[in-house]
Amino acid sequence: QVQLQESGPGLVKPSQTLSLTCTVSGGSINYADYYWSWIRQPPGRGPEWIGYISYTGSAYYNPSLESRVSISIDKSKNQFSLKLRSATAADTAVYYCARYVIVVGASKFDPWGQGTLVTVSS
Amino acid sequence: DIQMTQSPSILSASVGDTVTISCRASQSVSNWLAWYQQKPGKAPKLLIYEASTLENGVPSRFSGSGSGTEFTLTISSLQSDDFATYYCQQYDGYSCSFGQGTKLEI
Repeated sequence: QVQLQESGPGLVKPSQTLSLTCTVSGGSINYADYYWSWIRQPPGRGPEWIGYISYTGSAYYNPSLESRVSISIDKSKNQFSLKLRSATAADTAVYYCARYVIVVGASKFDPWGQGTLVTVSS
Repeated sequence: DIQMTQSPSILSASVGDTVTISCRASQSVSNWLAWYQQKPGKAPKLLIYEASTLENGVPSRFSGSGSGTEFTLTISSLQSDDFATYYCQQYDGYSCSFGQGTKLEI
């Protein structure tokens, strides 16, 4: 059973880069049927899709964040990572990694990591 | 970007009731629509995908319908465990977006 786990600093200073890694266990990241995704959820609000990356390294981003975000994949470590530049307090949120299934007839975010709270503050 | 609008934002109900949550897309998403349940401090849990397909292990009292721009999630015979926040999510072939959520409260 595939499991995802986020890791990274819980506190980031304003203007710095927020960096998180998601480790995939129980299955390979090198699979054409999935997009490896980042989603965030500010306190008290709904989820916001940040972006995802395929096993080939093709990435797609939320247009509202595209100028500041990059997602990369390391197949040798079965990991993918998020970098969000020029962080502000508005980036404070619980950050989730998730697998997006792109098989026709089965498109869905499943499974999700447990989430990690990142606070942007000096 | 495709915007997803859920209604109502808050829904009050009792155990045993049947409730319906609506989700409207700003443009057609075919049937690429999923529903998630979230409880405080937990990651969202997948309930339904492709608008009407029940995820394995999800009780049959949950059902989804719709296509294009109008979708509904119906929960029949509400159980105490169902009181949570529900989100719809669309996929348009390149990007995704979520609704703002519907809090189902007792």
